[in-house]
Amino acid sequence: SQQGEEDPQALSIQEGENATMNCSYKTSINNLQWYRQNSGRGLVHLILIRSNEREKHSGRLRVTLDTSKKSSSLLITASRAADTASYFCATVHNNAGNMLTFGGGTRLMVKP
Amino acid sequence: DVKVTQSSRYLVKRTGEKVFLECVQDMDHENMFWYRQDPGLGLRLIYFSYDVKMKEKGDIPEGYSVSREKKERFSLILESASTNQTSMYLCASSLAGPGYDGYTFGSGTRLTVV
Repeated sequence: SQQGEEDPQALSIQEGENATMNCSYKTSINNLQWYRQNSGRGLVHLILIRSNEREKHSGRLRVTLDTSKKSSSLLITASRAADTASYFCATVHNNAGNMLTFGGGTRLMVKP
Repeated sequence: DVKVTQSSRYLVKRTGEKVFLECVQDMDHENMFWYRQDPGLGLRLIYFSYDVKMKEKGDIPEGYSVSREKKERFSLILESASTNQTSMYLCASSLAGPGYDGYTFGSGTRLTVV
């Protein structure tokens, strides 16, 4: 399967701490995207990083991509209770007709 | 604000019924997608469409069909609902292909087949 795998599956931190989630994949990609899903709702697109990029920022979010290790990380700085959600990485693989393939997600709980 | 609207948040249907899940986007997006989401299995692509009247099978099309008669509307059809189709169904759209653009998702339809 080309599905990305997130690590850890679950993460619990205190408000104000940083949260780091990792994603690994198996075959070469065109780009990698991160999404957030609040409980029982749809997914919200957070950030897209292309295969020729190494780092991107968006507000309190920082995404890195290491194509040599086939991995990406999402860092949320100064977390808030409202950041409690599941976070998914999704990959667009060069040999898969440009379809988006989702990983299993990391469940993040931020305690007030 | 751009939107993808799924017609029902919760739906309960009986085994063997024909079920229609409707999805409408107001962003003039070319591409539309149907996923189902199950615990432990993540999101799996059922069908997608890159244009009106065009459809392509995803990873798990069996037991489903789709219809895209108008650009803004993409319907998922369960021809004869079965209990293993109990799931959360998510519709999404994008302007460009996934190689260029993130997806906008609807809020999801939680379908229970009894």
